[in-house]
Amino acid sequence: DTEVTQTPKHLVMGMTNKKSLKCEQHMGHRAMYWYKQKAKKPPELMFVYSYEKLSINESVPSRFSPECPNSSLLNLHLHALQPEDSALYLCASSQVGAGVTDTQYFGPGTRLTVL
Amino acid sequence: KQEVTQIPAALSVPEGENLVLNCSFTDSAIYNLQWFRQDPGKGLTSLLLIQSSQREQTSGRLNASLDKSSGRSTLYIAASQPGDSATYLCASMTTDSWGKLQFGAGTQVVVTP
Repeated sequence: DTEVTQTPKHLVMGMTNKKSLKCEQHMGHRAMYWYKQKAKKPPELMFVYSYEKLSINESVPSRFSPECPNSSLLNLHLHALQPEDSALYLCASSQVGAGVTDTQYFGPGTRLTVL
Repeated sequence: KQEVTQIPAALSVPEGENLVLNCSFTDSAIYNLQWFRQDPGKGLTSLLLIQSSQREQTSGRLNASLDKSSGRSTLYIAASQPGDSATYLCASMTTDSWGKLQFGAGTQVVVTP
């Protein structure tokens, strides 16, 4: 099973709201990723967690707050977003370590609209 | 910083023709290169991953090659079908940035019946 699930599929929020995106995988992967994808553009990396610790933060504004409570779950907490943050948010996971194939498997994404 | 380029941006072929998709990268110190497919409004589907020590990978009708010295990878799709219509993205990971995939802008493919 190479499935990464994301909830919700769609989210509409106002600029003063607080919401969270959820990502889950049960492949035993120990690396998880958040990407942002604007229309007609490729995905851009936001955060990488390796063994539940934040290993890469691509200078993302603090209104995006990632959390990795366990090895299967990744959250992205959203607060005081701007309309330009509207995008498809993609989660991915992969194996970690020497000798493994670190293919990144992506979820279907959450389509976020900020009003 | 790694830069990944995909040309052409769009491609239209009749059904049955072979597809050739190109990807070039500036930093030859890659860890791996991955090809993805994306349908409109959907997530990415992994097609093939080539490790830096490999020259090619094959899966069914798909074959991907890697030439680090020239900074190029090519994805071949044999006997294209209308269901192959999608955007194809390549992404590379360099040895000094494990976990960070740098994506090309993609090639949008339409296979006409």
